[in-house]
Amino acid sequence: GESVGLHLPTLSVQEGDNSIINCAYSNSASDYFIWYKQESGKGPQFIIDIRSNMDKRQGQRVTVLLNKTVKHLSLQIAATQPGDSAVYFCAEILSGGYQKVTFGTGTKLQVIP
Amino acid sequence: DTEVTQTPKHLVMGMTNKKSLKCEQHMGHRAMYWYKQKAKKPPELMFVYSYEKLSINESVPSRFSPECPNSSLLNLHLHALQPEDSALYLCASSPHRWGLTEAFFGQGTRLTVV
Repeated sequence: GESVGLHLPTLSVQEGDNSIINCAYSNSASDYFIWYKQESGKGPQFIIDIRSNMDKRQGQRVTVLLNKTVKHLSLQIAATQPGDSAVYFCAEILSGGYQKVTFGTGTKLQVIP
Repeated sequence: DTEVTQTPKHLVMGMTNKKSLKCEQHMGHRAMYWYKQKAKKPPELMFVYSYEKLSINESVPSRFSPECPNSSLLNLHLHALQPEDSALYLCASSPHRWGLTEAFFGQGTRLTVV
């Protein structure tokens, strides 16, 4: 039979606008969260992290917000550029000597020049 | 050196072949990981090595056999794979210490089983 196509959630943003990518995580005991960027044909690349005792962290052009009450993470990218086009994954980590990283489903960001 | 290096970048193998994927890091990390990633899906954890010992096997079929010969190297031996095993195989490493740090990923090996 015919296979059903799989679709990543996609966010299309005009170059120069701000992007907001959302993620719901599953384990309320997770104590560390990371946003990864994955370009086509490459491995995930670290963008920014946040610990569970924080609710906001800022980097260069990126901000991560954590709402533990509703188990929600967001990644805000300021002045989005074509080079930001990629798939973005949130990841939750339950620490314990080594990092068992559980990835969210991912969002594809398309930047329109 | 903050890289995780994986070889080969691409691999095509038959269902009766035996092949190995290799991963190397020189960051002094003592935790190393294998992930499998299908198209349009997030990476899924397969194995975790901690101080060269297998710590986690996420119920991976025995046709995948990991090996950690030393603290810098991680191998994944493949035998009698199925076409559905075709995927991007990612290696990662992280420091083994209390505290929270990110895992560094390699570029992956794109595996096609024919």
